[in-house]
Amino acid sequence: QSVLTQPPSVSAAPGQKVTISCSGSSSNIGKNYVSWYQQLPGTAPKLLIYENNKRPSGIPDRFSGSKSGTSATLGITGLQTGDEADYFCGTWDSSLSAGPVFGGGTKLTVL
Amino acid sequence: EVQLVQSGAEVKKAGESLKISCKASGYSFSTSWIGWVRQMPGRGLEWMAIVYPADSDTRYSPSFQGQVTISVDKAINTAYLQWSSLQASDTAIYYCIRWSQCAYWGQGALVTVSS
Repeated sequence: QSVLTQPPSVSAAPGQKVTISCSGSSSNIGKNYVSWYQQLPGTAPKLLIYENNKRPSGIPDRFSGSKSGTSATLGITGLQTGDEADYFCGTWDSSLSAGPVFGGGTKLTVL
Repeated sequence: EVQLVQSGAEVKKAGESLKISCKASGYSFSTSWIGWVRQMPGRGLEWMAIVYPADSDTRYSPSFQGQVTISVDKAINTAYLQWSSLQASDTAIYYCIRWSQCAYWGQGALVTVSS
């Protein structure tokens, strides 16, 4: 059971848009920045979005992030077959056992 | 450029000990959290332990407290994760992360434990 809750899977056709939600609590998303990671099969997670809505150098603007209260959302527009991957959200949890926490991951299928 | 280079894959037997490493470069090692994340086959990411090298503030996820030990060597910018007695259920990929408002990832190390 992950601290942050994501839908297990989402799907959409090439060229379409998809959103992935990430729900937390006042001790994690409610207090701290949210980041998003893409994990292609057999590879390490890769940073897509940091500080809620910023993209590292090299990440296309098809990827966007937002946060409201204790939830966050990753958006991907102009879907490509190469976007098929697992997507994870992450943040810091400021509760008693403070540390980084992650969502369970969402498998994106580009139909 | 931030780089986290982990030690290689390991194959061990249940009951054996293990210490894996993560060498950091490209940033100030002492002033960022560095830690470990487990990913079991087909599963999500689980935070295990994290340490702030500057003051040795160390945190363990309740799920892993007492099961592993995290340590750092500031002289060589390296973090370690150690088991004293592995179990088959420890079979997983272990990622080293630098946490600074978000995670920067090492390449991962597959640990396989046979019973």
